[in-house]
Parts: sequence; C-alpha cells; structure tokens
Amino acid sequence: SQKIEQNSEALNIQEGKTATLTCNYTNYSPAYLQWYRQDPGRGPVFLLLIRENEKEKRKERLKVTFDTTLKQSLFHITASQPADSATYLCALDWAGGYNKLIFGAGTRLAVHP
Amino acid sequence: KAGVTQTPRYLIKTRGQQVTLSCSPISGHRSVSWYQQTPGQGLQFLFEYFSETQRNKGNFPGRFSGRQFSNSRSEMNVSTLELGDSALYLCASSSGGQGADGYTFGSGTRLTVV
Repeated sequence: SQKIEQNSEALNIQEGKTATLTCNYTNYSPAYLQWYRQDPGRGPVFLLLIRENEKEKRKERLKVTFDTTLKQSLFHITASQPADSATYLCALDWAGGYNKLIFGAGTRLAVHP
Repeated sequence: KAGVTQTPRYLIKTRGQQVTLSCSPISGHRSVSWYQQTPGQGLQFLFEYFSETQRNKGNFPGRFSGRQFSNSRSEMNVSTLELGDSALYLCASSSGGQGADGYTFGSGTRLTVV
C-alpha cells in the first residue's frame, strides 16, 4: 500500500542554521508533492508545491527538491529562526481522484536561539 | 480576502449523538475537502466536494457524510458518535482543478466525544 514517511523524531537546530526535513514515499508515483506548516491547534498552512517534472522549487528561505527516482523530497529552511518552529507535513496527491492528499505524519522542528 | 471559516471551533458530544460541522471556503473556491486529524493516525482524507458533487471519498464508515451547497459552503455530519471520533476536523478549500496550487485550511473544529 502507499506509504509516506517523515522523520518522526523532532529536529532541533540552532538559529541561523539550515534545517533539512525528509519525506520518503513508496508504492506511489505522485503528480505533485506539497509541504505544509502546522502550528499547535491550527490548520496546516500551504508552503510549496513541486510537480513531478520539477527538480527544485524555491520561495524566499524555503527550498524543496523532488527526486522521483529515489522517491524522496527534501525541504530546506535556510537561516532558520525560532519563529520557524512548527510541525512540517509533506503531502502527495492521490492519482485515483481529484484533490485527495495523503499526508505524512509530520516532523516537528524546534529552532533554538 | 477572508480565509476558510469553520464552525464551531470546539464541540463536546456524548457517544451515540450526532454532530454537524460547517465550513465556508474562500470566495470563488468551488472545492471543499474534509480531513480528520488524530495523534495516532495523523491527517486522513474524508471526502471532497466540487460544485455540490462528491468527487472523492476516503476510507471512513458510512456514519461520516457530507454535502455542499450551491454557494460552496459545506457541512459534514457524523452520526452515532464513538469515542474514537474525537479529533480535529479540518476543512480545506481550493479552486478545484487537478494539480491544485495548494489548499487553504481552516482552523478546524475540535470534537470531543465523551
């Protein structure tokens, strides 16, 4: 069955460093992959979308890569700040129908001053 | 522009009761999706509506149902509540096209079943 894996352990980094989060998937060929940020008690907030024919996407301090051979996406936050502390979710579309996303469990990022 | 509005924010219900949750999407968005989020299972897709039609459904029992109105507002209903239905229910809106440019989620309805 389709499976998405994100680091279940929290990622702790120092302010100013680059945070790198991983999303791996199996038994699946998504058309696109999305990254969301979620703060406690709130809904996810869309950050970036990358399509299967794109290798890399950037938005301000954020960068996403998509390797369909490795079945992996990497999400980078450069010059991280304490305000970046949150849970980050990756999500894949389900080719069997419209607008159905399959989410990973998320990785909690803590940026320390 | 106004975001996705979900009401109520919090709800406490007793086992066996039923509940209706509401979602108003971003103006102009015709697709509304519903997700259930729990600590154990994470975010799971419930169903998606576009122009009042259910286009996609997740693996949830028939106790979970939904509908969409002509103004794109959507409701989801859970009948015969069970303790395991306690969760954060999230609604997301989008323009509805395949390969959506991301989804806008509401803040969710926190349902507690006692």
